[in-house]
Amino acid sequence: NAGVMQNPRHLVRRRGQEARLRCSPMKGHSHVYWYRQLPEEGLKFMVYLQKENIIDESGMPKERFSAEFPKEGPSILRIQQVVRGDSAAYFCASSPGQGAHGYTFGSGTRLTVV
Amino acid sequence: DQQVKQNSPSLSVQEGRISILNCDYTNSMFDYFLWYKKYPAEGPTFLISISSIKDKNEDGRFTVFLNKSAKHLSLHIVPSQPGDSAVYFCAANTKTSYDKVIFGPGTSLSVIP
Repeated sequence: NAGVMQNPRHLVRRRGQEARLRCSPMKGHSHVYWYRQLPEEGLKFMVYLQKENIIDESGMPKERFSAEFPKEGPSILRIQQVVRGDSAAYFCASSPGQGAHGYTFGSGTRLTVV
Repeated sequence: DQQVKQNSPSLSVQEGRISILNCDYTNSMFDYFLWYKKYPAEGPTFLISISSIKDKNEDGRFTVFLNKSAKHLSLHIVPSQPGDSAVYFCAANTKTSYDKVIFGPGTSLSVIP
């Protein structure tokens, strides 16, 4: 595991469909963070998870968005009934513990809603 | 409410010269500041950071200066190289919320050979 792996790299969905974005953290990292970058904007914090727990979801939209980090397998960011405004780059980061200086980002998933 | 601001969307610098990227913040509770570098189609990579108890941190060609009274920090790259061409994000967080890093909108740096 050379780094944080995100898949797919590109995802196209029609309005109303579901989008599932996956993130496998670096080996040994148990903390996962999701960020969203809208066009012409910076990265916006969405959610912070540890294994099986959501620690901080203050940046998540109240509806249609959910995240999980199960005991086994990757972290999943799920967007239900996607709309055009969900089109963005979604980045996952991981760290071995709490603290931003330990962040390692993945290459992102670019979601396009048509 | 943008807590971290980068007012210059883009910057062009000649190779070999100094690049100065600026960042302003509004939240006086921030106590750790970071710079990330991002190439197209890649995720951001950590570049350099500074604690609020310091006013300068240096790492090779990269130096970050912090002016707490002005709520301003800057990243100096000297000498600039074409490979430094990327988007630079200023970011910050607080001791009580290490998990939530607030990013600025980024400055796109072009180093011209």
